[in-house]
Amino acid sequence: EPEVTQTPSHQVTQMGQEVILRCVPISNHLYFYWYRQILGQKVEFLVSFYNNEISEKSEIFDDQFSVERPDGSNFTLKIRSTKLEDSAMYFCASSHGLAGADTQYFGPGTRLTVL
Amino acid sequence: DAKTTQPPSMDCAEGRAANLPCNHSTISGNEYVYWYRQIHSQGPQYIIHGLKNNETNEMASLIITEDRKSSTLILPHATLRDTAVYYCIVRVASIMEYGNKLVFGAGTILRVKS
Repeated sequence: EPEVTQTPSHQVTQMGQEVILRCVPISNHLYFYWYRQILGQKVEFLVSFYNNEISEKSEIFDDQFSVERPDGSNFTLKIRSTKLEDSAMYFCASSHGLAGADTQYFGPGTRLTVL
Repeated sequence: DAKTTQPPSMDCAEGRAANLPCNHSTISGNEYVYWYRQIHSQGPQYIIHGLKNNETNEMASLIITEDRKSSTLILPHATLRDTAVYYCIVRVASIMEYGNKLVFGAGTILRVKS
């Protein structure tokens, strides 16, 4: 069964450093997403991406964040200058983009720890 | 997206059916009911979705009331591995018009006990 994969599973970085989180969505999916979950809190939407551009983003997704689909398989989230409050689980998801019910499938997540 | 209301926690005996309720009284006609679960800090796992009719798959059954204001997720024979946070989410059907994000609430913590 196809699944969304994410690397690395755990990333530790120093405050102010840039990090890139990687995701490989399900191969025939057209919509891609990033969510995050701070420890003990709800899963929060960050951004959705379709046809090589951002289709929607939340208030959390400020200028420090960017997304890219550098090739036909990877989808990345970059945080330019990490802050302590960026420490969280980051989940990538993808969906086919069918009209009507369009189910998002999530990856296992990357735990980002900012020191 | 319409808001949902779920009990914060529930217990269920192993082998018994787990019935998780969800209220979505302001649901619109073009909104689906989705259920996901999250085990520990793993990625949310899709379980099932429905619009009007009851649905069943290999994981669970979804019962939606006739007025669509509430639904129940049924795990027919709960196991210890079903211990997780279960999220009920309502979401519009059309991606192109309305966007496609999922809005997660706090969910229901289901504890399956032996």
